[in-house]
Amino acid sequence: VQLQESGPGLVKPSETLSLTCGVSGFTLKGGYYWGWIRQPPGKGLEWIGSIYYTESTYYKPSLRSRVTISVDTSKNQFSLNLSSVTAADTAIYYCARHLLHVEMTPVRGYFDYWGPGTLVTVSS
Amino acid sequence: QSVLTQPPSVSAAPGQKVTISCSGSSSSIGNNYVSWYRQVPGTAPKLLMYDNNKRPSGIPDRFSGSKSATSATLGITGLQTGDEADYYCVTWSSSLISVVFGGGTKLTVL
Repeated sequence: VQLQESGPGLVKPSETLSLTCGVSGFTLKGGYYWGWIRQPPGKGLEWIGSIYYTESTYYKPSLRSRVTISVDTSKNQFSLNLSSVTAADTAIYYCARHLLHVEMTPVRGYFDYWGPGTLVTVSS
Repeated sequence: QSVLTQPPSVSAAPGQKVTISCSGSSSSIGNNYVSWYRQVPGTAPKLLMYDNNKRPSGIPDRFSGSKSATSATLGITGLQTGDEADYYCVTWSSSLISVVFGGGTKLTVL
């Protein structure tokens, strides 16, 4: 399983950040969610959201109003759109395969394969 | 401010044992599985432990995980200089309906 993020490395404030994660070696329809995680420079990891191939999604509550994650099963890739960006959105963005069983108690979940990450800088 | 609380740093000598704690609540760790990740600066995180105490293939048994009530612990024995990294705990928050990460712990092997 391999994941690779791609997209612009520089985005202007107030614009929309758009990234794509290409997946190889595993089908998006294989029973996993697919997630986005980011890491501001020098800081910790922050989950953004995850999507299932049926387009079922979960988003971090504080980002929900600005985030859209979509999936393209024909290209075996999924995408992240983050609108109205500010300097605080400058980060390394990672995509990852996400096992998530929310129908269970306890909820079971983990990220087992990650892309190498891509740095996105928000600046004019 | 993270929903899960980890110590910012821990340290120990080579060959020794270290534990990294992760404190949550009944709606997070208390009722859901915990996973742990290791991140060497400049590289992507790597899954270290899942389902509280299961190791993925290739992770040595020097690494162990446990959970009690609303806290989880990662243990590392026989410390090596190569174990220096940042370690993160992760779980699901049933109240937030969200994945939550700990703030991360920097391990230094003295």
